[in-house]
Amino acid sequence: AQKITQTQPGMFVQEKEAVTLDCTYDTSDPSYGLFWYKQPSSGEMIFLIYQGSYDQQNATEGRYSLNFQKARKSANLVISASQLGDSAMYFCAMREFWNDMRFGAGTRLTVKP
Amino acid sequence: EAQVTQNPRYLITVTGKKLTVTCSQNMNHEYMSWYRQDPGLGLRQIYYSMNVEVTDKGDVPEGYKVSRKEKRNFPLILESPSPNQTSLYFCASRPLAGGQETQYFGPGTRLLVL
Repeated sequence: AQKITQTQPGMFVQEKEAVTLDCTYDTSDPSYGLFWYKQPSSGEMIFLIYQGSYDQQNATEGRYSLNFQKARKSANLVISASQLGDSAMYFCAMREFWNDMRFGAGTRLTVKP
Repeated sequence: EAQVTQNPRYLITVTGKKLTVTCSQNMNHEYMSWYRQDPGLGLRQIYYSMNVEVTDKGDVPEGYKVSRKEKRNFPLILESPSPNQTSLYFCASRPLAGGQETQYFGPGTRLLVL
């Protein structure tokens, strides 16, 4: 069964600094995708970034990058130059090819001015 | 605009009073699903549907029903709500093939069962 682990319930970062949110996963399926979502206090789920299991390079989207270490089964989200608007809940998720998406418990990020 | 809509956005009800949360998408997606979000547990899947008249249980289906009579709509039914169903609910949709396509989430429905 799929399992997603986010070990940091809460994180603090100073504005303009970089922060890494951890995510590890467990799967025996060679084909899977990893996703990160942001959930601000308003509640909506905002898709940030995707990494496929066969992708050779780490995914990047603006200030977001995914540090994909396949052998270690980790998919950490790196946010560079943090902004106050980055304060939110962040969820890591995985979808195996024929299964639905499974989510981690989330990490609440607080950006300090 | 491509979107998933849910109604109502907020709902306070009492134990045992049947309720329906509607979900509709305008992207012609085959796949739709319902999640509930609880603190410390992330999002857990309640039910999903791969197409019209095809539904199946997710990880936490007890106490919920769904139907998929039209491709665009996927209502969630709580026939006899209980306080432990107080949660934030999300409807989501995506093309059946999935792959790198993200799920598209509705805005969420906050439910309080007294």
